[in-house]
Amino acid sequence: RKEVEQDPGPFNVPEGATVAFNCTYSNSASQSFFWYRQDCRKEPKLLMSVYSSGNEDGRFTAQLNRASQYISLLIRDSKLSDSATYLCVVNGDTPLVFGKGTRLSVIA
Amino acid sequence: DGGITQSPKYLFRKEGQNVTLSCEQNLNHDAMYWYRQDPGQGLRLIYYSQIVNDFQKGDIAEGYSVSREKKESFPLTVTSAQKNPTAFYLCASSKPLGQGRNQPQHFGDGTRLSIL
Repeated sequence: RKEVEQDPGPFNVPEGATVAFNCTYSNSASQSFFWYRQDCRKEPKLLMSVYSSGNEDGRFTAQLNRASQYISLLIRDSKLSDSATYLCVVNGDTPLVFGKGTRLSVIA
Repeated sequence: DGGITQSPKYLFRKEGQNVTLSCEQNLNHDAMYWYRQDPGQGLRLIYYSQIVNDFQKGDIAEGYSVSREKKESFPLTVTSAQKNPTAFYLCASSKPLGQGRNQPQHFGDGTRLSIL
């Protein structure tokens, strides 16, 4: 089983839609979880950390389910500018393991 | 402004040539990392360093070498032993790695390496 798995997408959604991504991880001892955003041909940028109690930042909500070993990212009221690849990141045996990402395209 | 600077932005390598990618940070971060990203793929860890004069191999260290003589700098050399070096190389830094808990990493804007 891969350390971090994500649905590669693409997810094509209309503006204003709500979209959710899930990510599963294999290391039950992982304690640090993040979502990054990567635009085409750019570096990844930290979107938000994921806390045990779940956390929200504007239109973005992140949740952690330790029992099932997955984290999720919910984007409400999608904007064209949300189009990007979203990377799930978890700490493993080596520093931070990055998923391959889920591509989101928001369509006008 | 604090940040991570990678140079050059684009680099071309001839067969059999070693090239060095620069990474400098002024965030006062202890830990630094090098990743490789191939088109449509995730990030793969090449090397990382938690402290000056110390570094560890990542998942794909073969054909690469690093040094960490200063806290601010973590150059990566792509040697002629790396047979498929064409990729997007990303340098990152973070606060110190903790016991079981890691800080988020901050990235430079990358170097694209191509073979001539």
